[in-house]
Amino acid sequence: GAGVSQSPSNKVTEKGKDVELRCDPISGHTALYWYRQRLGQGLEFLIYFQGNSAPDKSGLPSDRFSAERTGESVSTLTIQRTQQEDSAVYLCASSPQVTEAFFGQGTRLTVV
Amino acid sequence: QKEVEQDPGPLSVPEGAIVSLNCTYSNSAFQYFMWYRQYSRKGPELLMYTYSSGNKEDGRFTAQVDKSSKYISLFIRDSQPSDSATYLCAADSGYALNFGKGTSLLVTP
Repeated sequence: GAGVSQSPSNKVTEKGKDVELRCDPISGHTALYWYRQRLGQGLEFLIYFQGNSAPDKSGLPSDRFSAERTGESVSTLTIQRTQQEDSAVYLCASSPQVTEAFFGQGTRLTVV
Repeated sequence: QKEVEQDPGPLSVPEGAIVSLNCTYSNSAFQYFMWYRQYSRKGPELLMYTYSSGNKEDGRFTAQVDKSSKYISLFIRDSQPSDSATYLCAADSGYALNFGKGTSLLVTP
């Protein structure tokens, strides 16, 4: 595909369950970002991958959140023991080196 | 990552008006500057991208960067109702993107 692909587009889960969100970046993009956007709010940085460097995890809000990336391809964001406050749109973006980033359409997570 | 500040608005203007959207930043290492537009329930889309100081024009949109004052601007001429969206500025030091919180713009017919 030509753009950043995220799946699922929507996810409803029960409080306390684990969820896994997937991001397929644009081929060849070395940088990959995860952001969280609560309703009506701005982008909240979660984690950043750049090539083979150690990821910048400084934005992860708690140890329930983790993310992995295999080389310069797919990334998964995992949220364990979900809470209602985790309800948000989770956005992934990829970037070639250090220039402009391109976003996916996001995964809308609802914790009930 | 709170090195880019942006007034959240909302900003409401009549159709045809010139819109000025602004951000400030604190990190002098930022070299790349971007504006994104985000429609409701969609992911942000890249609108403008500039490197270092100066102006860049694309149709009705002009991006301006003043590194001496650490000020980023986006001007929209002849604004249209279809321009109603949230506009996010971003800056990049060559390491990672830093986003403002976004300004909500409403262009009324």
